[in-house]
Amino acid sequence: NAGVTQTPKFQVLKTGQSMTLQCAQDMNHEYMSWYRQDPGMGLRLIHYSVGAGITDQGEVPNGYNVSRSTTEDFPLRLLSAAPSQTSVYFCASGGLETQYFGPGTRLLVL
Amino acid sequence: AQKVTQAQTEISVVEKEDVTLDCVYETRDTTYYLFWYKQPPSGELVFLIRRNSFDEQNEISGRYSWNFQKSTSSFNFTITASQVVDSAVYFCALSELYSSASKIIFGSGTRLSIRP
Repeated sequence: NAGVTQTPKFQVLKTGQSMTLQCAQDMNHEYMSWYRQDPGMGLRLIHYSVGAGITDQGEVPNGYNVSRSTTEDFPLRLLSAAPSQTSVYFCASGGLETQYFGPGTRLLVL
Repeated sequence: AQKVTQAQTEISVVEKEDVTLDCVYETRDTTYYLFWYKQPPSGELVFLIRRNSFDEQNEISGRYSWNFQKSTSSFNFTITASQVVDSAVYFCALSELYSSASKIIFGSGTRLSIRP
């Protein structure tokens, strides 16, 4: 099992550009989530999904979109990148009893 | 609403000292899970422990121990005889199993530095 994979590992964007952060898991988990990690702020929940076709907002959803068309994939879309979205993004899958984290994507918005 | 508070932003101790990381949580549910994760300088998130709300027994794993007290809504983490390799950011987290918007919420983390 590969566990939770995230691509890319590092990305530089210009303000206003859009991009999609990919997340995939091969553990057949229903629950998947996206977090951002900023210095001094810990991990903040962006969006989460409890199954294919079902998504919901977390603490900091503005500027991000998600969809869940399959159990395996949970992409995170930045519609128009802003410098405030410079962060490290973690995808996780599992459930409310445990979570497995991907290695993270470091995003820099100039 | 869920909330996890890690009041200690940074802790620095000398190697071999014992250190306790505090975690205080808020929840309306009677059924929930508490977690601790470690994030070493390499950046990955490493699962350390999960405890459900019905199990208040303390847990010990080697030099690590956890003290769960529902009366004070705390889930503290103690490292005994600390080592330089314990230097990391540690996160406490909470999930409510049966709320209408079940999700896992993290505290802001405690950065632990162990000096040789």
